[in-house]
Amino acid sequence: NAGVTQTPKFQVLKTGQSMTLQCAQDMNHEYMSWYRQDPGMGLRLIHYSVGAGITDQGEVPNGYNVSRSTTEDFPLRLLSAAPSQTSVYFCASRSRTGTGSSPLHFGNGTRLTVT
Amino acid sequence: ELKVEQNPLFLSMQEGKNYTIYCNYSTTSDRLYWYRQDPGKSLESLFVLLSNGAVKQEGRLMASLDTKARLSTLHITAAVHDLSATYFCAVDRSNFGNEKLTFGTGTRLTIIP
Repeated sequence: NAGVTQTPKFQVLKTGQSMTLQCAQDMNHEYMSWYRQDPGMGLRLIHYSVGAGITDQGEVPNGYNVSRSTTEDFPLRLLSAAPSQTSVYFCASRSRTGTGSSPLHFGNGTRLTVT
Repeated sequence: ELKVEQNPLFLSMQEGKNYTIYCNYSTTSDRLYWYRQDPGKSLESLFVLLSNGAVKQEGRLMASLDTKARLSTLHITAAVHDLSATYFCAVDRSNFGNEKLTFGTGTRLTIIP
């Protein structure tokens, strides 16, 4: 049972480059989300999706795009990388309930450095 | 805007001692989660607390939730080295169709032999 799979694990970009972080889950979870983790700031929500074809912004969406064409996949696109986007990125998923009361399942993270 | 504060941010304690990590939050919620993160690793769910007065225990860890005080605690009993990690609380105000999960900044726990 793979759970939530993120690729790549590490990435170095130059300022202005674009790239896509991949995320796939095999638990048939409706909710998927992207967080970034920075020292001393906990995890902050970038974008999320409550189902295929539905996405919404989180706390820190600027500079990132997402799409959700299937239940399984939720890629995160960096449009024009900036040094401020150096961070560890986590994809997470959880099952959908009326009150959102199930915990998140996290991928192993992508460590991104922008020079 | 929901604010979630954990304290202490750093905790160094000796094996065998007891201690408590606190998670305070600013807006009403009756759903809270605790996660553990080992260095360089992902986050692992520890506890799900879904109502006022909820108490969950797993081994040497016990979590509780007081929604009236907007406070959750994670109590460590007779600490062992394996419990060294960063612990996060997360307050859930999600409803059907949206995601409103706010994490605390984490407590880095180091257990000293």
